[in-house]
Amino acid sequence: AQSVTQLGSHVSVSEGALVLLRCNYSSSVPPYLFWYVQYPNQGLQLLLKYTTGATLVKGINGFEAEFKKSETSFHLTKPSAHMSDAAEYFCAVSENTGFQKLVFGTGTRLLVSP
Amino acid sequence: DAMVIQNPRYQVTQFGKPVTLSCSQTLNHNVMYWYQQKSSQAPKLLFHYYDKDFNNEADTPDNFQSRRPNTSFCFLDIRSPGLGDAAMYLCATSRDWASGTHEQYFGPGTRLTVT
Repeated sequence: AQSVTQLGSHVSVSEGALVLLRCNYSSSVPPYLFWYVQYPNQGLQLLLKYTTGATLVKGINGFEAEFKKSETSFHLTKPSAHMSDAAEYFCAVSENTGFQKLVFGTGTRLLVSP
Repeated sequence: DAMVIQNPRYQVTQFGKPVTLSCSQTLNHNVMYWYQQKSSQAPKLLFHYYDKDFNNEADTPDNFQSRRPNTSFCFLDIRSPGLGDAAMYLCATSRDWASGTHEQYFGPGTRLTVT
């Protein structure tokens, strides 16, 4: 069965600092990996995804993530945090066979201070 | 813009009083999903439709039902809401899995309060 672990339920950074949100996954087959962002009282918005090909993927709002198969990781980074990045971030995995159910991690709340 | 729309955004119902949440999409996607998200938790899949084919998650309570009268609309019915059903309900859509794209597109959610 698939699973996702997000280390750190809360991450605090200063505006302009590097953002690093950690995600490790478990999957018996090559996974598809996603990062979603959720602002208060809103739905989830896709930041970026990895399916096949290049392991470094770029997303919206300056975020990127690198798929590392050997480490079973898909960490999300942004070089310089902005106040508007404060939100909840969910990593998710789906298997690329049959019904592609998304399995979400428990989420990481990013706090950005001035 | 193509999108997923949920109405209402906020719904208050009484304990035991049936309630229906609505979702519509202009993306023409085959698959529609309903998730329940409780405070500070990840979304939990309740069920999904692949076209008209309904698929229930094993641990979804019988109290939750769904209808999909056409491609564009999907409804979540809670027959007898309990206090534990208070949550954000998210609707999502995706293309046919054979298309090779796998992301789900989410609506803004309906926050359900049970009094």
